Amino acid sequence: DQQVKQNSPSLSVQEGRISILNCDYTNSMFDYFLWYKKYPAEGPTFLISISSIKDKNEDGRFTVFLNKSAKHLSLHIVPSQPGDSAVYFCAASASNYGQNFVFGPGTRLSVLP
Amino acid sequence: SAVISQKPSRDICQRGTSLTIQCQVDSQVTMMFWYRQQPGQSLTLIATANQGSEATYESGFVIDKFPISRPNLTFSTLTVSNMSPEDSSIYLCSVAIGHLNTEAFFGQGTRLTVV
Repeated sequence: DQQVKQNSPSLSVQEGRISILNCDYTNSMFDYFLWYKKYPAEGPTFLISISSIKDKNEDGRFTVFLNKSAKHLSLHIVPSQPGDSAVYFCAASASNYGQNFVFGPGTRLSVLP
Repeated sequence: SAVISQKPSRDICQRGTSLTIQCQVDSQVTMMFWYRQQPGQSLTLIATANQGSEATYESGFVIDKFPISRPNLTFSTLTVSNMSPEDSSIYLCSVAIGHLNTEAFFGQGTRLTVV
């Protein structure tokens, strides 16, 4: 049973437009969420995180929104750039479980010039 | 942040042999993790390695198959033992830092192919 879901395996967006990547989770014990970007042949790179006490966190072009009641979070990238093309993983952890990060299956983002 | 060096970056191994993957961090960290990413799938935690204690394995992973060493606060190894083609994956070392150890940083991964 997947605890962290990313239902869109892929997404294509025009350069300059907004990219919205979605993530849903089932475990109500999750209280910390992260987004990672992964290029081929490289390890995941931390992008942005959000604690369950917040509903929004912004860092430059990246904004993460958290809707706890819906168990849903999203990553917005504005404006999208060709260099953003990568696989994006949503991850969740529960402080009571130690730092065991549960990853979603990933969404491949393609930003078209 | 943390800079993590992982070796080898890739290897092709014969069935039945073992491979040891090394992970070196540029700072002392308490918690180190080993993940596996099978083809087309997400990252799955294999085990948590804390210095001075035995590694804690997740369900489906056992010490005999994936022995781990953690001799100090900057280094760890993962061995994939008695390999079969099903072990072909990317193996990633990770460390947790930051407030309450809630941020994880990854090495570049080891792409293992078992033939």
